Amino acid sequence: DTGVSQDPRHKITKRGQNVTFRCDPISEHNRLYWYRQTLGQGPEFLTYFQNEAQLEKSRLLSDRFSAERPKGSFSTLEIQRTEQGDSAMYLCASSPRPGPTGDEQFFGPGTRLTVL
Amino acid sequence: AQKVTQAQTEISVVEKEDVTLDCVYETRDTTYYLFWYKQPPSGELVFLIRRNSFDEQNEISGRYSWNFQKSTSSFNFTITASQVVDSAVYFCALSGGGYQKVTFGTGTKLQVIP
Repeated sequence: DTGVSQDPRHKITKRGQNVTFRCDPISEHNRLYWYRQTLGQGPEFLTYFQNEAQLEKSRLLSDRFSAERPKGSFSTLEIQRTEQGDSAMYLCASSPRPGPTGDEQFFGPGTRLTVL
Repeated sequence: AQKVTQAQTEISVVEKEDVTLDCVYETRDTTYYLFWYKQPPSGELVFLIRRNSFDEQNEISGRYSWNFQKSTSSFNFTITASQVVDSAVYFCALSGGGYQKVTFGTGTKLQVIP
């Protein structure tokens, strides 16, 4: 399978715990995106990487959230001191080329986080 | 700021009927891109179609067609001869600028009844 993969698919945690999600984009895709989707809503942009550089962060991404893409390949999204409001589906997407080409983003299956 | 509005929350149609999903967008970018994505019950977003702001030609691709009108900032999507497998949530989306942050609408849930 050469699509975007995410791990884990589901995560249940207690409030106050830290969680980390992983995203493996499609091979050779320069751009990687994280989105959050809550029930009944469309995905909301969180952050964007071009290669290893994090170029944009949404105001939705509080100080408890951090994302990395150390070698320009896979990415991790960490949430510290989770809160019940963090419960959502976290989606990762990648796209193939830099520049404003308008290419579509390819989405992974998502990680569903439940904070108890 | 970018905004995408999908006024239809839920639509139900009988199989083989045609259905049109509405999308209205707002952007200050002169160059932008519009998309439709499908999210079936399994949850994975699937890319359907893309349109560039400088090309208003409407097209048909299989059972899918779209109507892009810059004058009304609308990008409507039509499925002809709907099938049960078309049942999903459909998202209209917009991107512009150099890094292609995508702004999604709230989605339209389509139910195709056999």
